[in-house]
Amino acid sequence: KAGVTQTPRYLIKTRGQQVTLSCSPISGHRSVSWYQQTPGQGLQFLFEYFSETQRNKGNFPGRFSGRQFSNSRSEMNVSTLELGDSALYLCASSLGGGLVEQYFGPGTRLTVT
Amino acid sequence: GESVGLHLPTLSVQEGDNSIINCAYSNSASDYFIWYKQESGKGPQFIIDIRSNMDKRQGQRVTVLLNKTVKHLSLQIAATQPGDSAVYFCAEFFYGQNFVFGPGTRLSVLP
Repeated sequence: KAGVTQTPRYLIKTRGQQVTLSCSPISGHRSVSWYQQTPGQGLQFLFEYFSETQRNKGNFPGRFSGRQFSNSRSEMNVSTLELGDSALYLCASSLGGGLVEQYFGPGTRLTVT
Repeated sequence: GESVGLHLPTLSVQEGDNSIINCAYSNSASDYFIWYKQESGKGPQFIIDIRSNMDKRQGQRVTVLLNKTVKHLSLQIAATQPGDSAVYFCAEFFYGQNFVFGPGTRLSVLP
């Protein structure tokens, strides 16, 4: 069974631009969560989608948004990029419905210059 | 590989010894606790979990202990191997909310 895949793996953007990251969950998984990982703040929860609906949201500004498609694939968008948005963005999928065991993808390393 | 945490607490153990990694959690109402392992350049990998109504759970070479009185979680790795070198995170979860991750501990296995 294929694992969670994220594209692209690496990305360099300029301040003020926007970016879209993509995540394909494990087949059959309906829940997709996004996390930001930085050396200073560690792993922080961004949001979770289940059956195309945002189910939970962390404490990030509105510049961070996401969506989930009917095939459970998810995208995350960050608008008006800031230097502090440089991070590893991780996606995790789970079966959902109260089952919390998550499987993480390798992440997308975003660098904002 | 990725620099997960430049200033993480580090635990160094001799190959073959047992390792104990500790974690303090914040929410006494958390339902569920998980330990993850993250190797350089990879996403976190699930190791073992424990529900809040349990105080011990064993897996293959790993044991998780939960002390709700002092809100403390530990991960014990038996006969530590070089492949165990990684950053280990605990995470707490409460239904209706989301995961909250600890800062992580870097485990270094010495030959």
